[in-house]
Amino acid sequence: AQKVTQAQTEISVVEKEDVTLDCVYETRDTTYYLFWYKQPPSGELVFLIRRNSFDEQNEISGRYSWNFQKSTSSFNFTITASQVVDSAVYFCALTGYGSGYALNFGKGTSLLVTP
Amino acid sequence: DVKVTQSSRYLVKRTGEKVFLECVQDMDHENMFWYRQDPGLGLRLIYFSYDVKMKEKGDIPEGYSVSREKKERFSLILESASTNQTSMYLCASSLLGGTAQPQHFGDGTRLSIL
Repeated sequence: AQKVTQAQTEISVVEKEDVTLDCVYETRDTTYYLFWYKQPPSGELVFLIRRNSFDEQNEISGRYSWNFQKSTSSFNFTITASQVVDSAVYFCALTGYGSGYALNFGKGTSLLVTP
Repeated sequence: DVKVTQSSRYLVKRTGEKVFLECVQDMDHENMFWYRQDPGLGLRLIYFSYDVKMKEKGDIPEGYSVSREKKERFSLILESASTNQTSMYLCASSLLGGTAQPQHFGDGTRLSIL
């Protein structure tokens, strides 16, 4: 069985602060994939990143960075110098061959960035 | 860009009605998925399909069925709608492959059952 835990339900920061969203996962698959999606107030889910279980390199994309650590089963997401437009619900998700590549989502973290 | 289109953004139906939610994708994706999203529960998989006429149950298939007669279209059917099926429904599609391809989502259908 696969499980994703996003322990932070809501986070509120002031613009320009850095913020880290936590994601912890459980899986028995040896090959698996982790994702982050953003859901802004308009409702559509936007794909941010995919990581496979064999690639533990951290990734940076502009103000976004991701820290994947197999040893702690975590895939954390950091936004540097947050902006109001970053306000959204962020979902971490996990999939693998055993689930037919259907995504198992965490419950999401609602991020509010205030001016 | 991939476009996943859900037929309705908002829908209001009555208890006991048969409800159809339609989803169409334009990128020739093999995989299609239906999720429901509820506050505090995140997204939960209802059904998915990896080919025409093929379907697999997700985590919460009870009270739902699906139809995939054409590759681009995946329909979710509420056989006899109940109030506990009031929710946001999200359709997604992705390429089939040996690796997990990113899923692309539609805008969602907010369904209210009265």
